[in-house]
Amino acid sequence: DAKTTQPPSMDCAEGRAANLPCNHSTISGNEYVYWYRQIHSQGPQYIIHGLKNNETNEMASLIITEDRKSSTLILPHATLRDTAVYYCIALDRGSTLGRLYFGRGTQLTVWP
Amino acid sequence: NAGVTQTPKFRVLKTGQSMTLLCAQDMNHEYMYWYRQDPGMGLRLIHYSVGEGTTAKGEVPDGYNVSRLKKQNFLLGLESAAPSQTSVYFCASISGAGIERKLFFGSGTQLSVL
Repeated sequence: DAKTTQPPSMDCAEGRAANLPCNHSTISGNEYVYWYRQIHSQGPQYIIHGLKNNETNEMASLIITEDRKSSTLILPHATLRDTAVYYCIALDRGSTLGRLYFGRGTQLTVWP
Repeated sequence: NAGVTQTPKFRVLKTGQSMTLLCAQDMNHEYMYWYRQDPGMGLRLIHYSVGEGTTAKGEVPDGYNVSRLKKQNFLLGLESAAPSQTSVYFCASISGAGIERKLFFGSGTQLSVL
Protein backbone atom coordinates (compact mmCIF):
# COMPACT_ATOMS: atom_id res chain seq x y z
CA ASP A 1 0.00 0.00 0.00
CA ALA A 2 1.16 3.53 -0.79
CA LYS A 3 2.83 5.59 1.92
CA THR A 4 1.21 8.86 2.88
CA THR A 5 2.68 12.06 4.32
CA GLN A 6 0.88 14.62 6.43
CA PRO A 7 1.88 17.79 8.27
CA PRO A 8 2.52 17.08 11.94
CA SER A 9 0.19 19.74 13.27
CA MET A 10 -2.41 22.31 12.32
CA ASP A 11 -4.79 24.57 14.15
CA CYS A 12 -8.13 26.08 13.37
CA ALA A 13 -10.58 28.49 14.96
CA GLU A 14 -13.85 27.05 16.16
CA GLY A 15 -16.57 27.44 13.55
CA ARG A 16 -14.13 27.75 10.69
CA ALA A 17 -13.33 25.09 8.14
CA ALA A 18 -10.39 22.83 8.88
CA ASN A 19 -8.56 21.64 5.78
CA LEU A 20 -6.17 18.76 6.40
CA PRO A 21 -3.86 17.79 3.53
CA CYS A 22 -2.40 14.41 2.72
CA ASN A 23 0.16 13.50 0.09
CA HIS A 24 0.02 10.06 -1.51
CA SER A 25 2.08 10.49 -4.65
CA THR A 26 2.71 6.74 -5.12
CA ILE A 27 -0.91 5.70 -4.84
CA SER A 28 -2.00 3.02 -7.27
CA GLY A 29 -5.17 2.95 -9.31
CA ASN A 30 -6.86 0.46 -7.00
CA GLU A 31 -6.08 2.20 -3.75
CA TYR A 32 -8.69 4.20 -1.92
CA VAL A 33 -7.86 7.08 0.39
CA TYR A 34 -9.19 6.59 3.90
CA TRP A 35 -9.25 9.04 6.77
CA TYR A 36 -9.38 8.16 10.44
CA ARG A 37 -9.16 10.23 13.57
CA GLN A 38 -8.07 9.48 17.09
CA ILE A 39 -9.40 11.48 19.99
CA HIS A 40 -7.28 11.45 23.11
CA SER A 41 -5.80 7.94 22.93
CA GLN A 42 -9.07 6.24 22.06
CA GLY A 43 -9.07 3.78 19.19
CA PRO A 44 -8.97 5.52 15.79
CA GLN A 45 -12.37 5.95 14.18
CA TYR A 46 -13.31 5.94 10.53
CA ILE A 47 -14.27 9.27 8.98
CA ILE A 48 -14.53 8.94 5.22
CA HIS A 49 -12.95 7.34 2.18
CA GLY A 50 -12.83 7.88 -1.57
CA LEU A 51 -11.25 6.70 -4.80
CA LYS A 52 -11.27 9.63 -7.21
CA ASN A 53 -14.51 11.49 -6.81
CA ASN A 54 -15.11 13.98 -4.05
CA GLU A 55 -17.03 12.50 -1.17
CA THR A 56 -19.16 13.96 1.59
CA ASN A 57 -20.82 12.49 4.63
CA GLU A 58 -22.22 13.80 7.88
CA MET A 59 -18.74 14.18 9.36
CA ALA A 60 -16.57 15.61 6.60
CA SER A 61 -15.80 16.11 2.94
CA LEU A 62 -12.94 14.56 1.02
CA ILE A 63 -11.40 16.26 -1.98
CA ILE A 64 -9.05 14.14 -4.10
CA THR A 65 -6.97 15.81 -6.80
CA GLU A 66 -7.48 14.73 -10.38
CA ASP A 67 -4.07 12.99 -10.48
CA ARG A 68 -4.91 11.35 -7.12
CA LYS A 69 -1.53 12.25 -5.68
CA SER A 70 -3.00 14.24 -2.83
CA SER A 71 -6.22 14.80 -0.96
CA THR A 72 -7.76 17.14 1.58
CA LEU A 73 -10.08 16.32 4.42
CA ILE A 74 -12.44 19.17 5.16
CA LEU A 75 -14.27 19.64 8.44
CA PRO A 76 -16.66 22.43 7.37
CA HIS A 77 -17.40 23.91 10.80
CA ALA A 78 -14.77 22.73 13.24
CA THR A 79 -15.72 22.36 16.90
CA LEU A 80 -13.58 21.88 19.98
CA ARG A 81 -14.50 18.19 19.90
CA ASP A 82 -12.76 17.87 16.53
CA THR A 83 -9.40 18.32 18.26
CA ALA A 84 -7.72 15.01 17.48
CA VAL A 85 -5.00 13.29 15.48
CA TYR A 86 -6.08 12.68 11.90
CA TYR A 87 -4.61 9.86 9.84
CA CYS A 88 -4.69 9.41 6.10
CA ILE A 89 -3.97 5.97 4.61
CA ALA A 90 -4.14 4.40 1.18
CA LEU A 91 -5.84 1.05 1.08
CA ASP A 92 -6.38 -1.38 -1.76
CA ARG A 93 -9.85 -2.83 -1.59
CA GLY A 94 -9.39 -5.52 -4.15
CA SER A 95 -6.20 -7.32 -3.31
CA THR A 96 -4.47 -9.10 -0.49
CA LEU A 97 -3.39 -6.67 2.17
CA GLY A 98 -0.04 -6.57 3.84
CA ARG A 99 1.32 -4.08 6.29
CA LEU A 100 -0.85 -1.06 7.03
CA TYR A 101 1.16 1.98 8.08
CA PHE A 102 -0.41 4.96 9.77
CA GLY A 103 2.49 7.28 10.41
CA ARG A 104 2.16 10.10 12.92
CA GLY A 105 -0.85 11.79 11.39
CA THR A 106 -1.78 15.45 11.84
CA GLN A 107 -2.59 16.84 15.27
CA LEU A 108 -5.49 19.22 14.71
CA THR A 109 -6.13 21.70 17.49
CA VAL A 110 -9.36 23.66 17.38
CA TRP A 111 -9.25 26.77 19.53
CA PRO A 112 -12.16 28.82 20.84
CA ASN B 1 -22.22 -6.85 17.23
CA ALA B 2 -19.34 -5.79 19.46
CA GLY B 3 -16.79 -5.04 16.71
CA VAL B 4 -13.22 -5.29 17.98
CA THR B 5 -12.75 -6.04 21.67
CA GLN B 6 -9.45 -5.83 23.51
CA THR B 7 -8.74 -7.31 26.90
CA PRO B 8 -7.51 -6.24 29.34
CA LYS B 9 -7.96 -2.46 29.18
CA PHE B 10 -5.22 -1.75 31.70
CA ARG B 11 -2.33 -3.76 33.04
CA VAL B 12 0.73 -3.14 35.15
CA LEU B 13 3.64 -5.57 34.89
CA LYS B 14 7.00 -5.88 36.54
CA THR B 15 10.08 -6.19 34.36
CA GLY B 16 10.51 -9.78 33.24
CA GLN B 17 6.89 -10.82 33.67
CA SER B 18 4.92 -12.21 30.79
CA MET B 19 1.41 -11.53 29.62
CA THR B 20 -0.95 -11.94 26.70
CA LEU B 21 -3.23 -9.33 25.19
CA LEU B 22 -6.34 -10.62 23.51
CA CYS B 23 -8.03 -9.09 20.51
CA ALA B 24 -11.37 -10.51 19.42
CA GLN B 25 -13.50 -9.50 16.46
CA ASP B 26 -16.97 -10.72 15.56
CA MET B 27 -17.08 -9.43 11.98
CA ASN B 28 -15.49 -12.46 10.31
CA HIS B 29 -12.56 -10.29 9.22
CA GLU B 30 -9.60 -11.85 7.47
CA TYR B 31 -6.91 -9.40 8.53
CA MET B 32 -5.89 -8.39 12.02
CA TYR B 33 -3.21 -6.00 13.24
CA TRP B 34 -1.45 -5.05 16.45
CA TYR B 35 -0.12 -1.51 16.86
CA ARG B 36 1.58 0.30 19.67
CA GLN B 37 1.35 4.00 20.32
CA ASP B 38 3.78 6.01 22.40
CA PRO B 39 3.40 9.66 23.44
CA GLY B 40 3.77 11.96 20.46
CA MET B 41 4.16 9.05 18.10
CA GLY B 42 1.77 7.62 15.61
CA LEU B 43 0.65 4.04 15.38
CA ARG B 44 3.51 1.64 14.82
CA LEU B 45 2.77 -1.80 13.47
CA ILE B 46 4.00 -4.68 15.63
CA HIS B 47 2.65 -7.81 13.92
CA TYR B 48 -0.22 -8.63 11.65
CA SER B 49 -2.13 -11.61 10.30
CA VAL B 50 -3.67 -12.17 6.88
CA GLY B 51 -5.74 -15.12 7.99
CA GLU B 52 -6.20 -17.90 10.48
CA GLY B 53 -2.94 -19.64 11.23
CA THR B 54 -0.76 -16.93 9.66
CA THR B 55 1.28 -14.12 11.19
CA ALA B 56 3.88 -11.68 9.93
CA LYS B 57 6.22 -9.04 11.35
CA GLY B 58 5.53 -5.34 11.21
CA GLU B 59 7.82 -2.38 11.93
CA VAL B 60 8.59 -3.07 15.59
CA PRO B 61 8.20 -6.83 16.22
CA ASP B 62 11.08 -7.40 18.66
CA GLY B 63 10.02 -8.54 22.10
CA TYR B 64 6.55 -9.62 20.96
CA ASN B 65 5.00 -12.81 19.68
CA VAL B 66 1.58 -13.35 18.17
CA SER B 67 -0.77 -16.17 17.35
CA ARG B 68 -3.93 -16.49 15.28
CA LEU B 69 -5.24 -19.96 16.05
CA LYS B 70 -8.83 -18.91 15.48
CA LYS B 71 -9.99 -16.44 12.85
CA GLN B 72 -11.73 -14.22 15.37
CA ASN B 73 -8.83 -13.94 17.83
CA PHE B 74 -5.39 -12.39 17.54
CA LEU B 75 -3.15 -12.71 20.61
CA LEU B 76 -0.16 -10.52 21.38
CA GLY B 77 2.34 -11.93 23.84
CA LEU B 78 5.15 -10.39 25.82
CA GLU B 79 7.44 -13.16 27.07
CA SER B 80 9.67 -10.98 29.24
CA ALA B 81 8.29 -7.47 29.61
CA ALA B 82 10.64 -4.49 29.55
CA PRO B 83 10.00 -0.84 30.51
CA SER B 84 10.40 0.08 26.84
CA GLN B 85 7.20 -1.84 26.17
CA THR B 86 5.17 0.59 28.24
CA SER B 87 2.69 1.82 25.70
CA VAL B 88 -0.90 1.83 24.52
CA TYR B 89 -1.67 -1.14 22.33
CA PHE B 90 -4.35 -1.13 19.66
CA CYS B 91 -5.76 -3.99 17.71
CA ALA B 92 -7.48 -3.56 14.37
CA SER B 93 -9.25 -5.78 11.89
CA ILE B 94 -10.41 -5.47 8.32
CA SER B 95 -12.38 -7.62 5.93
CA GLY B 96 -11.17 -9.39 2.85
CA ALA B 97 -11.45 -7.81 -0.57
CA GLY B 98 -14.74 -6.11 -1.21
CA ILE B 99 -16.60 -2.87 -1.49
CA GLU B 100 -17.17 -2.42 2.23
CA ARG B 101 -13.58 -2.86 3.34
CA LYS B 102 -13.02 -0.74 6.44
CA LEU B 103 -10.54 -0.92 9.26
CA PHE B 104 -12.02 -1.19 12.75
CA PHE B 105 -10.04 -0.55 15.92
CA GLY B 106 -10.37 -1.72 19.48
CA SER B 107 -10.39 0.75 22.36
CA GLY B 108 -6.83 0.02 23.38
CA THR B 109 -4.85 -1.55 26.22
CA GLN B 110 -2.76 0.67 28.47
CA LEU B 111 0.29 -1.32 29.56
CA SER B 112 2.82 -0.13 32.10
CA VAL B 113 6.00 -2.06 32.76
CA LEU B 114 7.80 -1.10 35.95
